[in-house]
Amino acid sequence: DAMVIQNPRYQVTQFGKPVTLSCSQTLNHNVMYWYQQKSSQAPKLLFHYYDKDFNNEADTPDNFQSRRPNTSFCFLDIRSPGLGDAAMYLCATSTDGPTDTQYFGPGTRLTVL
Amino acid sequence: QQQVKQSPQSLIVQKGGISIINCAYENTAFDYFPWYQQFPGKGPALLIAIRPDVSEKKEGRFTISFNKSAKQFSLHIMDSQPGDSATYFCAASKEGYQKVTFGIGTKLQVIP
Repeated sequence: DAMVIQNPRYQVTQFGKPVTLSCSQTLNHNVMYWYQQKSSQAPKLLFHYYDKDFNNEADTPDNFQSRRPNTSFCFLDIRSPGLGDAAMYLCATSTDGPTDTQYFGPGTRLTVL
Repeated sequence: QQQVKQSPQSLIVQKGGISIINCAYENTAFDYFPWYQQFPGKGPALLIAIRPDVSEKKEGRFTISFNKSAKQFSLHIMDSQPGDSATYFCAASKEGYQKVTFGIGTKLQVIP
């Protein structure tokens, strides 16, 4: 089945220790997104790629970086995780079409000790 | 201009009852209004969506009602079931914008 896959599903890191989350898709969608979702809140867009073009949200901290080496893969790097970065990180994809329907992965739950 | 306001934030409905979630938007450029359903520990999934050229869209027990002049839209879940217990997000976007503006979410609990 075509889908959005995120690894790992659960990630525990220490305060200040860099961490990388990965996302892959078999949908061949040209847009990929990274969201941060904290408990009982709506997903918050961090950035998105339209093909190779990177679009950063104005309020995304510099601590968050992303890479998209090819159409299928996208990575979220958190350079120095703080306690406030503990959250669910969601990857999503969409086509550049009229509906902009986003297909979400299952998420990675990040814990910062 | 980019906000989507959603209410209520939590909702408890008896099994078999009707669940109603309301959303309002300000940006008249929005032209696509999806609803996402999210179960605990999972990513959101598209439930149903509507464009402003229709006033209602129904898929099974789920119906979106859309009022363009009032800039409001709502989700109705008929014959609500315990399996419908989830968080529901309304959202809005515009063609070519590539981004979706989410409402704050409504946590629905359907009790037997």
